[in-house]
Amino acid sequence: DAGITQSPRYKITETGRQVTLMCHQTWSHSYMFWYRQDLGHGLRLIYYSAAADITDKGEVPDGYVVSRSKTENFPLTLESATRSQTSVYFCASSARDRGTDTQYFGPGTRLTVL
Amino acid sequence: QKEVEQNSGPLSVPEGAIASLNCTYSDRGSQSFFWYRQYSGKSPELIMSIYSNGDKEDGRFTAQLNKASQYVSLLIRDSQPSDSATYLCAGQGSGNTGKLIFGQGTTLQVKP
Repeated sequence: DAGITQSPRYKITETGRQVTLMCHQTWSHSYMFWYRQDLGHGLRLIYYSAAADITDKGEVPDGYVVSRSKTENFPLTLESATRSQTSVYFCASSARDRGTDTQYFGPGTRLTVL
Repeated sequence: QKEVEQNSGPLSVPEGAIASLNCTYSDRGSQSFFWYRQYSGKSPELIMSIYSNGDKEDGRFTAQLNKASQYVSLLIRDSQPSDSATYLCAGQGSGNTGKLIFGQGTTLQVKP
């Protein structure tokens, strides 16, 4: 049971490049979330999705794009990476449609933008 | 702005002691609360959830919820060095969105 996975685990890119972070879950959870975590800011929600083809902005969506064509996948794209987007990115999912808001986190992607 | 607040610490306790981690929240509409543990360089993992006023025990962990005071706490009995981590408190956001609002976390250090 793989649960929730993220790829790549580490990524170094340059300013201005497009980067896509992948998130895949095997639980068929309806809800999925993308967070970034930086020292001094805790976890900040970027985007979330209630179901396939339903997405909504979180606290810090600028510079990011998401899509969700399949329930199990929720990719996050940085359209033109900036140094301020250097961070650790966590994907999470929850089975809210089954009555719980408990979120389960993937292992994270550490992104460095040079 | 709905918030969840925690003292960032570090909270230092000797091995075998009780560690008490506290959290306050501003949204009276929040019904569910969660404690996550995050080791350095790792992702948050769920320790406990609590939905009703009172105490909920799971092994060495006890979560306490007081909705009138808008206060959530986590007690760790017989603290071990392996409990050293950052503990994140999260509350359900209101508005039926499925979002959680996270505090910034309290760093716990358990000294042998």
